[in-house]
Parts: sequence; structure tokens; C-alpha cells
Amino acid sequence: GQNIDQPTEMTATEGAIVQINCTYQTSGFNGLFWYQQHAGEAPTFLSYNVLDGLEEKGRFSSFLSRSKGYSYLLLKELQMKDSASYLCAAMDSNYQLIWGAGTKLIIKP
Amino acid sequence: IAGITQAPTSQILAAGRRMTLRCTQDMRHNAMYWYRQDLGLGLRLIHYSNTAGTTGKGEVPDGYSVSRANTDDFPLTLASAVPSQTSVYFCASSARPGGTDGYTFGSGTRLTVV
Repeated sequence: GQNIDQPTEMTATEGAIVQINCTYQTSGFNGLFWYQQHAGEAPTFLSYNVLDGLEEKGRFSSFLSRSKGYSYLLLKELQMKDSASYLCAAMDSNYQLIWGAGTKLIIKP
Repeated sequence: IAGITQAPTSQILAAGRRMTLRCTQDMRHNAMYWYRQDLGLGLRLIHYSNTAGTTGKGEVPDGYSVSRANTDDFPLTLASAVPSQTSVYFCASSARPGGTDGYTFGSGTRLTVV
């Protein structure tokens, strides 16, 4: 079956760094997406990886290892506004997204 | 402002009633999607459309129907609502199926079936 696993909740301190992990199992693979979702709002696109390695975009970076079925989202210099849920989604061979349940990130001052 | 508009924002619906959730985009995206989001679960695909005039079933299509008469509109209909359809519904679009620029989501419809 197809499955995405990510931690339910994480806590970090303002100004620190946090890494949110995601493992996936899909029928075929056409890339890995990360989205941010603030409470009561719609998800917004953060990043897309299809090749192994690290993609950096400002304070946010995303990493992919296809051989391990593993990705992480790295958030640096955490700000209070980064408190949100972070959704991992893998695209399968039919180009459909399989979504994880999301990781709720709590930032403490 | 380019994006996706969903209506209504929220609704309380009596079980057994019929309801249509509206979704309109102005980005000329080819692909559109309907998801439901429930606490503790990932987004689950209800129906999708890769281009105007075509639709397909997602992971949880039972009790729902869609149509795609044109590029901009993708309404979702609940023929006879049941309490298990209480959820937050998101419409999304992408420039093309399998697009790597990510999906654009509407602001959601919070539906309660009583």
C-alpha cells in the first residue's frame, strides 16, 4: 500500500533550527512536496524535490533520499509565525499526491 | 487577485439534504482537485479533473459527484449528506496534472452534517 509517515507534533524554540522528517512508500515516485498550513487556513506550497539532495530556499531547506524513501524539511532561525502544520506529500506513478497527516510545529519564545 | 474561490465558507446541513460546494479558479489551470481534511488524517482525494470535460475518482469518491464543464469551475455535489461527510473540504488546482509547481488551494469549506 501507499503510506506517508511523519511525526504528529514537534516543539522548538524561537531562533533555533528544527528538522521535520517524512518517510514514504508509494507505487512509483514522481517527487516529494512540502506544504505549510496555518490553523484554519489552506495549505501553501513550500518545496518540491525529485532528485536526491538538498534544496535551499531562504530559511527553509528540503532534502530527499530516493533510495531510503526519506525526506526532511529544515527550518532555520525559527520565528513565531512558523508555528503551523507541515504536510509531506509524495507523487505516485499516476501523478496523484499521497499526503501525510501533517506535523504540528509549536514554536516557544 | 489570482487564485481559487470556494463557497460557502461554512455550512450546517441536515442529513439527507443535497448540497453543492462551489469552486472557481482564474489561473487557467488545467487540473483541479477536491480533498477532504479530517483531524489526524492526511488530505484525502475525493475527485479530480485533469482537464475540462474529464473527471476521475480519487481515494474516497462515494457519496460525491463532480463536473467540469469549463476550465474555471469544478463543483462538488453531495447527493444525500450523511454525518460522516462532516469535514473541511478544499478545492485545489495545478497548471497541469503532475505539475511540480505545487497545488494552489482554496480557503476551504467547513461542512457539518447533522
